[in-house]
Amino acid sequence: GAGVSQSPSNKVTEKGKDVELRCDPISGHTALYWYRQSLGQGLEFLIYFQGNSAPDKSGLPSDRFSAERTGGSVSTLTIQRTQQEDSAVYLCASRRAMGAGSYEQYFGPGTRLTVT
Amino acid sequence: DQQVKQNSPSLSVQEGRISILNCDYTNSMFDYFLWYKKYPAEGPTFLISISSIKDKNEDGRFTVFLNKSAKHLSLHIVPSQPGDSAVYFCAATSENSGGSNYKLTFGKGTLLTVNP
Repeated sequence: GAGVSQSPSNKVTEKGKDVELRCDPISGHTALYWYRQSLGQGLEFLIYFQGNSAPDKSGLPSDRFSAERTGGSVSTLTIQRTQQEDSAVYLCASRRAMGAGSYEQYFGPGTRLTVT
Repeated sequence: DQQVKQNSPSLSVQEGRISILNCDYTNSMFDYFLWYKKYPAEGPTFLISISSIKDKNEDGRFTVFLNKSAKHLSLHIVPSQPGDSAVYFCAATSENSGGSNYKLTFGKGTLLTVNP
């Protein structure tokens, strides 16, 4: 079956513009995560969706960041008024979220965001 | 405060020899650990994991060892192959994480180069 897909693969935007990143998780996976990886850093948790529960937004770095997940499947991460420090690779992951040994998350290829 | 640390940013080994990648953690709530492998321009790929109830898990050429008292884990690859050259990330989660979100906390990664 298909893995996690993300679009666009690359995005260059001017400082102050809004951007929207898309994630299509593995079919049947109910848990969805957004992470970002800045240069030379590990992956940093941003937000988590699980079914119809309220999302865990504890990792969002500022109120310029928001995300939604429609119909329990596709998710979009929106960054408003982008800043240069937002430049990073944004990674989406999904998890089966049922049964033992379901802690593994499966990642998409990421969206490389460059804010000029 | 970095809760998962990979103190070696890079490691170089000869083909056929053993590669040992190390990871330390500080959060005693972590009880499940994962290793991911990442090639350039791709998302991280799950490699192997270990629960805190075990001290060793083996899958083919890959073995993960966990020393809970030292809060240390290591990934052994033997024999190493040139195709193993990638960045390896250590990650940790807690079964008792708030809301059971099982978010992963990552180290900064170690670049492994296997020379032919």
